[in-house]
Amino acid sequence: GAGVSQSPSNKVTEKGKDVELRCDPISGHTALYWYRQSLGQGLEFLIYFQGNSAPDKSGLPSDRFSAERTGGSVSTLTIQRTQQEDSAVYLCASSLGSGQGAKNIQYFGAGTRLSVL
Amino acid sequence: RKEVEQDPGPFNVPEGATVAFNCTYSNSASQSFFWYRQDCRKEPKLLMSVYSSGNEDGRFTAQLNRASQYISLLIRDSKLSDSATYLCVAASSTGNQFYFGTGTSLTVIP
Repeated sequence: GAGVSQSPSNKVTEKGKDVELRCDPISGHTALYWYRQSLGQGLEFLIYFQGNSAPDKSGLPSDRFSAERTGGSVSTLTIQRTQQEDSAVYLCASSLGSGQGAKNIQYFGAGTRLSVL
Repeated sequence: RKEVEQDPGPFNVPEGATVAFNCTYSNSASQSFFWYRQDCRKEPKLLMSVYSSGNEDGRFTAQLNRASQYISLLIRDSKLSDSATYLCVAASSTGNQFYFGTGTSLTVIP
């Protein structure tokens, strides 16, 4: 079956512009995560959606970052007024559910490589 | 203190060697642990899950030591294709959040 799909795969933008990154999770997965990975660094948690519950936004680095998940499926991560330090790979992951056990295994998309000039 | 800490390496080993990575976690309430593999400029992919004391899958063995709060990954008979970064992951006590280590880099040399 199809895995997690992210678009665009690459995005180059100018400082100050807004960007939108899209994530299509695996069909039937209720949990969706966004991470950021800078060059040579680990994954930085940004935001988590689980079903119809309020999202966990505790990882968003500033109010320029926001995310939505419509209809419990597709998610969009928006970065307003981009800065050079926003340059990174933005990874989306989905899991069957949450809690302990195999259902919380996260499957990743290929990511969006964002470059802010 | 970071939730998960790993030795970044790099580990450079010859083909056929056995190599082990250790990872420590800070939250004693974590129940689920994972090893992910990440190739250069690719997304992380699940290598192994560790829910109890350990797990074995072919050349790969993961062990969990709850008393000392560490997880290990052992790779036997290393192959060139094992070259990658290995990410240690601890799930939160609710299982809702994954805490990733910064990864350990492995290069297997011919």
